[in-house]
Amino acid sequence: GQQVMQIPQYQHVQEGEDFTTYCNSSTTLSNIQWYKQRPGGHPVFLIQLVKSGEVKKQKRLTFQFGEAKKNSSLHITATQTTDVGTYFCAEYGNNRLAFGKGNQVVVIP
Amino acid sequence: DTAVSQTPKYLVTQMGNDKSIKCEQNLGHDTMYWYKQDSKKFLKIMFSYNNKELIINETVPNRFSPKSPDKAHLNLHINSLELGDSAVYFCASSLHNEQFFGPGTRLTVL
Repeated sequence: GQQVMQIPQYQHVQEGEDFTTYCNSSTTLSNIQWYKQRPGGHPVFLIQLVKSGEVKKQKRLTFQFGEAKKNSSLHITATQTTDVGTYFCAEYGNNRLAFGKGNQVVVIP
Repeated sequence: DTAVSQTPKYLVTQMGNDKSIKCEQNLGHDTMYWYKQDSKKFLKIMFSYNNKELIINETVPNRFSPKSPDKAHLNLHINSLELGDSAVYFCASSLHNEQFFGPGTRLTVL
């Protein structure tokens, strides 16, 4: 799979505020998956997006897949301390997941 | 109830030793994986097995040898451990695209 780039690499977010993390590719993606890894934990699947312009919501989390299928974003509203962790995007292809380098999020109480 | 389990959770060993990490999944998935996560959190695939057959070997040194006795198990044996092997190793399994990760094994080579 091709490399997906994630920005920012690190974020400090005040509890109660919103934040967004981005995933970009120089070429068209067939799909994008998002995973969350809590400190000391393992990656946990959040969602998969496959359609151009797709938007999916999970409570305070909103996932978008760009119209050109070259970028994706995860937006979290009203951040809670439980949102702390590293958020990874990944493309699945050729029997493997190619992960971005992750966005480490620290929540300031 | 554990879906993907790994043992041991922690492994501290001397350079040059040989060690194994075991992985089991009770999800009935056909495909299993080993990933290495370095100190900067970068997750990189090492191996993938489908129904006990190796399908991905991602330019991993041949000191690393995976073995899949059946489709519910994928073990990782490492010979002649080096300092650079220190990392967290995750086993995962999948039926379709979504992957289920084990809790990880933190390997420290002294």
